[in-house]
Amino acid sequence: SAVISQKPSRDICQRGTSLTIQCQVDSQVTMMFWYRQQPGQSLTLIATANQGSEATYESGFVIDKFPISRPNLTFSTLTVSNMSPEDSSIYLCSVLWGLEQYFGPGTRLTVT
Amino acid sequence: GDSVTQMEGPVTLSEEAFLTINCTYTATGYPSLFWYVQYPGEGLQLLLKATKADDKGSNKGFEATYRKETTSFHLEKGSVQVSDSAVYFCALSSLGGTSGSRLTFGEGTQLTVNP
Repeated sequence: SAVISQKPSRDICQRGTSLTIQCQVDSQVTMMFWYRQQPGQSLTLIATANQGSEATYESGFVIDKFPISRPNLTFSTLTVSNMSPEDSSIYLCSVLWGLEQYFGPGTRLTVT
Repeated sequence: GDSVTQMEGPVTLSEEAFLTINCTYTATGYPSLFWYVQYPGEGLQLLLKATKADDKGSNKGFEATYRKETTSFHLEKGSVQVSDSAVYFCALSSLGGTSGSRLTFGEGTQLTVNP
């Protein structure tokens, strides 16, 4: 299995600012994913990030709000831009390993 | 599109009780099915999986059988422990086509086991 770490683990941010979340994997993987888990809710896919290509965003998510970088096969970042309280969520990255997805521990974001 | 429906929660049981969490799905083609568990304050962990009809996934005393005829993947455990208290998510992955390998999750079921 793949071991995934995320930074920061949590943060409290003011509205209007931006936060960049880092995801590091201990093995090279082709497909990485970013999910959002709003309080008490299930997970919603934000985008799929493949190395060497632009991220593919799901309906309701746009690059200007959630820019993603994928500079190599072990690392990705998600930026939450111009934050509002509605962006308060847990953000999780995951990787595809064989037929299974493995998840990072998540970044708990609170926007005040 | 793909969808997953889980039984409404939360579920509260006494230690050593029998657990069933229902999960049904709608998907095109032949999806793979998964159960993930999220312990308090942690990320998701893969609990078990099944990739084709009649497969049974099992792990840590939990099991689920891929039932194509009823489009179900119910999670069961014969004797729950306090340490099983967590949120359980049913999910499917449709490989290929426009959906790629993305996971579609159910709503999650909060399980609390009391001593």
